[in-house]
Amino acid sequence: GDSVTQMEGPVTLSEEAFLTINCTYTATGYPSLFWYVQYPGEGLQLLLKATKADDKGSNKGFEATYRKETTSFHLEKGSVQVSDSAVYFCALRSTSGTYKYIFGTGTRLKVLA
Amino acid sequence: DAMVIQNPRYQVTQFGKPVTLSCSQTLNHNVMYWYQQKSSQAPKLLFHYYDKDFNNEADTPDNFQSRRPNTSFCFLDIRSPGLGDAAMYLCATREERLGATRGNYNEQFFGPGTRLTVL
Repeated sequence: GDSVTQMEGPVTLSEEAFLTINCTYTATGYPSLFWYVQYPGEGLQLLLKATKADDKGSNKGFEATYRKETTSFHLEKGSVQVSDSAVYFCALRSTSGTYKYIFGTGTRLKVLA
Repeated sequence: DAMVIQNPRYQVTQFGKPVTLSCSQTLNHNVMYWYQQKSSQAPKLLFHYYDKDFNNEADTPDNFQSRRPNTSFCFLDIRSPGLGDAAMYLCATREERLGATRGNYNEQFFGPGTRLTVL
């Protein structure tokens, strides 16, 4: 079945450091791919998405490119801020005819001032 | 602003005492989801409604039930909560229309969640 694998956290960075959070997926066809962010005590918020191969999603300085050849959707940001500290979830929406989203286990990011 | 609202934000119940969590939306989306999220884990889909059609996940315990009386509201009923049911419960909505072009229609919108404590 479809699955999403994320790098384990926590990831601890200093402010203004470069961020990469790896995400790979297994799916049939061409799923839509998403990054969600969850701040403490809150629900998930969509950060960015890509719906076809080679699409680049971007928002708030974060970027991720849909790589069909490597089945990856890595999240990057050039200069992180303390306010970026949160848990980041990679997810896919299956094309198998259901309406399910498959989430990765989440990666906690801590940014130190 | 259009949004997904969950009440209450924090719910405390006793072992075995039925509890109901509520979700409402002003987005007029036709698909509504309930997820269970335990600490440091991915959200786990319990069930979803496509319009009025209820879709239960195979591994969702019978203890969990849901009702959707209209487009705007969806309820999660836990008939006999156990200690293992303590978690964050997330409601999400999405617009899905057959034949619609790809785009924002496939984005899920999440509520803030209800944190359930079982004593």
